[in-house]
Amino acid sequence: EPEVTQTPSHQVTQMGQEVILRCVPISNHLYFYWYRQILGQKVEFLVSFYNNEISEKSEIFDDQFSVERPDGSNFTLKIRSTKLEDSAMYFCASERYFGPGTRLLVL
Amino acid sequence: AQSVTQLDSHVSVSEGTPVLLRCNYSSSYSPSLFWYVQHPNKGLQLLLKYTSAATLVKGINGFEAEFKKSETSFHLTKPSAHMSDAAEYFCVVIRNTGTASKLTFGTGTRLQVTL
Repeated sequence: EPEVTQTPSHQVTQMGQEVILRCVPISNHLYFYWYRQILGQKVEFLVSFYNNEISEKSEIFDDQFSVERPDGSNFTLKIRSTKLEDSAMYFCASERYFGPGTRLLVL
Repeated sequence: AQSVTQLDSHVSVSEGTPVLLRCNYSSSYSPSLFWYVQHPNKGLQLLLKYTSAATLVKGINGFEAEFKKSETSFHLTKPSAHMSDAAEYFCVVIRNTGTASKLTFGTGTRLQVTL
């Protein structure tokens, strides 16, 4: 069964640093998403992506966040200047299927 | 706006007894509803989905859910719990925007299974 993969599984970074979270969606899917889950809280929608552009974003997805699909396979989430409150598990979704997540810790 | 409410943050059952995880939804139109499971330190796995076909939906690992419009509910059940069912369960409502679908998650129910 095809699956969504995410790298890295864990990332520790210093506040103010840039991070890039990577996802490889399922190859014939068209819609991709990023969600995040702060420890102990609910899973929150960040952004949806279709046809190489953002189709919807939440209020969380401010100017510090960006997404792209640089090579037709990888789907990336970039946080330009990380804040402590960005510490969370970040999930990529390819239509209804979620990846295993990247746990981001900002110190 | 649409939302889901998971009525129990924590449910504890004995192995071999039935499981009931409750979910109520709010939607201005006929919703699509999912249940996801998250095992410790794992990703989100799709358990089952309702998309306006049969109201009783069967999923993986013996779980099923029944869509009841009159009660605005989509409770998850399993006749006999297994230790491996211990996990966090999320009820999810989907909003189709035309070009993409946005999933709105409930707050989750942690299922504990005891011997």
